[in-house]
Amino acid sequence: GQQLNQSPQSMFIQEGEDVSMNCTSSSIFNTWLWYKQEPGEGPVLLIALYKAGELTSNGRLTAQFGITRKDSFLNISASIPSDVGIYFCAGQSLNSGYALNFGKGTSLLVTP
Amino acid sequence: DGGITQSPKYLFRKEGQNVTLSCEQNLNHDAMYWYRQDPGQGLRLIYYSQIVNDFQKGDIAEGYSVSREKKESFPLTVTSAQKNPTAFYLCASAGGAGTEAFFGQGTRLTVV
Repeated sequence: GQQLNQSPQSMFIQEGEDVSMNCTSSSIFNTWLWYKQEPGEGPVLLIALYKAGELTSNGRLTAQFGITRKDSFLNISASIPSDVGIYFCAGQSLNSGYALNFGKGTSLLVTP
Repeated sequence: DGGITQSPKYLFRKEGQNVTLSCEQNLNHDAMYWYRQDPGQGLRLIYYSQIVNDFQKGDIAEGYSVSREKKESFPLTVTSAQKNPTAFYLCASAGGAGTEAFFGQGTRLTVV
């Protein structure tokens, strides 16, 4: 499958700080998705992006579909302890039959 | 309740035995996916299906088999040919190509 590079690999921040993470690909994607996973559970969809340049918010979360269609970022504002988890980006493209390809995740730790 | 159901949550098998993991969805979704997750790792695609009676291999299909006889169901068989089957297995479904995908709660398989 297509390789997604997600960074940073981990983040350790204080409550109230803003967080930014991103994903890049060598190939174009038609869809970008962002998920959060907690230990022992399945990933939960946070935000879906369908158009290049699209900027979408979900509460304190904001994500953007890059203009080149090869990247996306996720921002979390004013982090709280329950934001702890692993965040994954995922991309889909027509060229790969819309198989869902994932980054390796960003592990977020938030201290009170 | 609508959703994706994976069963069982935990599964133990002896080495050399085949085992089948269940995935059922009542969301009327066309696309279904199977992923494998190892500790501290991202999600790797095993198989996916965009329509009933059709499926494609993902990046790590060796040692696994699937069927898609019904729209609601996409069972995964972990065969004895899979060299390292102990992992967390996740099933997902999506309404169609390039749309939002939702995950089940996962099955943790331990082979001893």
